[in-house]
Amino acid sequence: AQSVTQLGSHVSVSEGALVLLRCNYSSSVPPYLFWYVQYPNQGLQLLLKYTSAATLVKGINGFEAEFKKSETSFHLTKPSAHMSDAAEYFCAVSLGSGTYKYIFGTGTRLKVLA
Amino acid sequence: DAGVIQSPRHEVTEMGQEVTLRCKPISGHDYLFWYRQTMMRGLELLIYFNNNVPIDDSGMPEDRFSAKMPNASFSTLKIQPSEPRDSAVYFCASIPGWDRGPSGANVLTFGAGSRLTVL
Repeated sequence: AQSVTQLGSHVSVSEGALVLLRCNYSSSVPPYLFWYVQYPNQGLQLLLKYTSAATLVKGINGFEAEFKKSETSFHLTKPSAHMSDAAEYFCAVSLGSGTYKYIFGTGTRLKVLA
Repeated sequence: DAGVIQSPRHEVTEMGQEVTLRCKPISGHDYLFWYRQTMMRGLELLIYFNNNVPIDDSGMPEDRFSAKMPNASFSTLKIQPSEPRDSAVYFCASIPGWDRGPSGANVLTFGAGSRLTVL
């Protein structure tokens, strides 16, 4: 069965510091993987996705994630945090063709300190 | 496109009352999803539709919950009777079918959510 684990429900970084949000998945077949961001009182928005093309995926707002099959990981990074990055981030997995059940992690709330 | 439209944005009701949440998906999207978000359980898939037909409702918590999609542009999620533990943010999301193109075919587009408080 598919599952997603996000390590750390809360992460704090200083402005300008590296952002690293961790996501590990479990899937019996090559998955599609996603990172979504949720700002207060809003719905989730796509940051980036992995669909078996390049293993390093670049998204919006300077974020990127690397698919590592050997580690079953899809960690999200950004070299330099900005105050506007403060939000909740969700990792999600989907088997893709034939099924449409997107499984979300429990989320990581990112706090950016001035 | 105006995106996925949900109403109401906020609903406060008393225990035992009927609650109806509404969703208008993006035009042309074949799949519609209802999710519930709580602090304790995170984001849970309740049900999803394909071409107005419910495909998987295994996430619907109990018989008090029902969802319908009478046409391609409208869906409802109903709770009757409501209970305090139903308090959550309910999201609707939609995607186009897989044959609509490779790159964006499997990206969920979410509405802004309906925040339900049951007293």
